[in-house]
Amino acid sequence: KAGVTQTPRYLIKTRGQQVTLSCSPISGHRSVSWYQQTPGQGLQFLFEYFSETQRNKGNFPGRFSGRQFSNSRSEMNVSTLELGDSALYLCASSLRTGHSYGYTFGSGTRLTVV
Amino acid sequence: EDQVTQSPEALRLQEGESSSLNCSYTVSGLRGLFWYRQDPGKGPEFLFTLYSAGEEKEKERLKATLTKKESFLHITAPKPEDSATYLCAVQALGAAGNKLTFGGGTRVLVKP
Repeated sequence: KAGVTQTPRYLIKTRGQQVTLSCSPISGHRSVSWYQQTPGQGLQFLFEYFSETQRNKGNFPGRFSGRQFSNSRSEMNVSTLELGDSALYLCASSLRTGHSYGYTFGSGTRLTVV
Repeated sequence: EDQVTQSPEALRLQEGESSSLNCSYTVSGLRGLFWYRQDPGKGPEFLFTLYSAGEEKEKERLKATLTKKESFLHITAPKPEDSATYLCAVQALGAAGNKLTFGGGTRVLVKP
C-alpha cells in the first residue's frame, strides 16, 4: 500500500518568488492536512481539505493557500516567499474528517528560501 | 486555545536505561491525544492514540498513558534504534476537521 507522497522533496527558492508543493494521499483517503515544521515553532497546522473544500485553517497569512482536486491530491502555494518560510512542509492524509484516527504523514518537502 | 508542552526537550539514555517522556496539555475537550515518532528528514510516524483518562497502550518497548492533564510515554529498556524525536499532539472535541496541535517534541538519544 503506497504511503503519502510529497513532491518535490527539496526546493530552493529566492525571496519574493512563489512555490507550489504537492501531496498525493493514500488511496481512498479524502482528507489532506498541511503542516509547517520549523526548529523554533515546531509543527503548526496550516489547513485541511476534504472533498475539495477547506475545512479548517491555521493562523498563517493569506500568502499560504491550498486546494484539493477531485482525486484528493492536494497542493499548497506560498506566494511572495520570505526567509522565514524556510521549513519542512508536511502533509497528512486520512480517510475522513472530524475524527481521531488514521493520520498518516508524508516525508515532507524541505523548502529553503534564500 | 489548545496548548501542548513536552518535557524534557532532550533526553540522553544508555541502552537499557528506562525513562519517561511527559506531555502536558490544555484543551477545551479532548477528542484524542496522539504520540508520533519522527526520524531526521522524515515525516512523523504514528504510534498511539489515547482517548480518555486511565487509558494505556503498548507497542514493543513503548507504553503510553493518559490522565486528564498529561500523558506519559514510557520507554522500557531502550535500544539505539529508539533514538528519535517523540511528538505529542491533541485534537479538540470542538475542532472542525482534523486539526492537531503539537508539542515541541522530545529528542531521545539512546547510546549503546
